Amino acid sequence: GAVVSQHPSRVICKSGTSVKIECRSLDFQATTMFWYRQFPKQSLMLMATSNEGSKATYEQGVEKDKFLINHASLTLSTLTVTSAHPEDSSFYICSARERASPETQYFGPGTRLLVL
Amino acid sequence: GENVEQHPSTLSVQEGDSAVIKCTYSDSASNYFPWYKQELGKRPQLIIDIRSNVGEKKDQRIAVTLNKTAKHFSLHITETQPEDSAVYFCAATVFNKFYFGSGTKLNVKP
Repeated sequence: GAVVSQHPSRVICKSGTSVKIECRSLDFQATTMFWYRQFPKQSLMLMATSNEGSKATYEQGVEKDKFLINHASLTLSTLTVTSAHPEDSSFYICSARERASPETQYFGPGTRLLVL
Repeated sequence: GENVEQHPSTLSVQEGDSAVIKCTYSDSASNYFPWYKQELGKRPQLIIDIRSNVGEKKDQRIAVTLNKTAKHFSLHITETQPEDSAVYFCAATVFNKFYFGSGTKLNVKP
């Protein structure tokens, strides 16, 4: 089956630094990737939709200058949390969708970010 | 945007009993409704899905029903087992974007 990886799996950083999270589709071309945020014991909140070669579309309330998304190739999307603060600490999960199956999303394993 | 509500937030059942989780959605354009199981610290796993042109779908012990008129859909798990314990999320898809419910923590007691 389709596999999506994320790197790193967990990261601890100091307040004010930027953190980059990678999402890769390993055995298929992902025309679209999604980024979600999940707080402890809460649901997945869609942050943005990333299409290869174009600008990401952000959901209402998500700061695009804070969460920079790049989808440079059909197998890689990156989320950069800029000037991270403790309130950005969360579980970030990406998912990828291939052209042949637009309804199916394959989730990455998630990245746990802790900002001190 | 789409608003998905899910109930109950927690559900505790005895092994062998059935469990039902219900979701409602707001956008009539939603056309695909997947259900995910998520274990602690892991990625969501698709367990069953249903499309808007179907009223019911079953896969062994798991079934999903959809009422488009009322905009609600439900997950039914029969003969529950301890390994069914996890958090379950419903989702509604509008223009291929997924909007998730708040989750139900299912605890199956042996």
